[in-house]
Amino acid sequence: DQQVKQNSPSLSVQEGRISILNCDYTNSMFDYFLWYKKYPAEGPTFLISISSIKDKNEDGRFTVFLNKSAKHLSLHIVPSQPGDSAVYFCAASPNSGYALNFGKGTSLLVTP
Amino acid sequence: DTGVSQDPRHKITKRGQNVTFRCDPISEHNRLYWYRQTLGQGPEFLTYFQNEAQLEKSRLLSDRFSAERPKGSFSTLEIQRTEQGDSAMYLCAISEHLSNTEAFFGQGTRLTVV
Repeated sequence: DQQVKQNSPSLSVQEGRISILNCDYTNSMFDYFLWYKKYPAEGPTFLISISSIKDKNEDGRFTVFLNKSAKHLSLHIVPSQPGDSAVYFCAASPNSGYALNFGKGTSLLVTP
Repeated sequence: DTGVSQDPRHKITKRGQNVTFRCDPISEHNRLYWYRQTLGQGPEFLTYFQNEAQLEKSRLLSDRFSAERPKGSFSTLEIQRTEQGDSAMYLCAISEHLSNTEAFFGQGTRLTVV
């Protein structure tokens, strides 16, 4: 069963605009959430994370928002750049856990 | 550079053959994980080590799969009697022995079983 869901397989955004990638989860035991970026033929690269005690975490152009009551998180990239084009994975783990549960990914294309 | 080196990067093997992959963390990290990623899916957890102890195995890890981490440094993942369904990217990741810490992935080994 897929405990982390990314319902949009792809997203296309113009350069300079905001990219919003969404993620939903079903397991209420999850309390640590991460976003990874992946280029073809490479491993995932860590982008940003958020703990359940927060509802927002910001790092440069990347901001992650967490809505625990809705079991929803989102990644905002602003402004989007062509180099941001990649597959973005949402991941989650429980506090005492170790294994990350990943969504299926959203392929982001930023066009000039 | 994530500090995780995987070898080989690509492996093509005939069905029924055994294959072994290696993961070398450049720095000391207590936790080491193996994940598998197939086309159109996110990485799926296979197993993890804390130092040299293998503490958890996913039900995805059939008895044809075995992983080791002697001395708590590098790790190997062996697949015996490979099947076409084993074709995937095998990813190694490391993290600190703390709650709520990110895992850093290697570049993966792409296995193709023909």
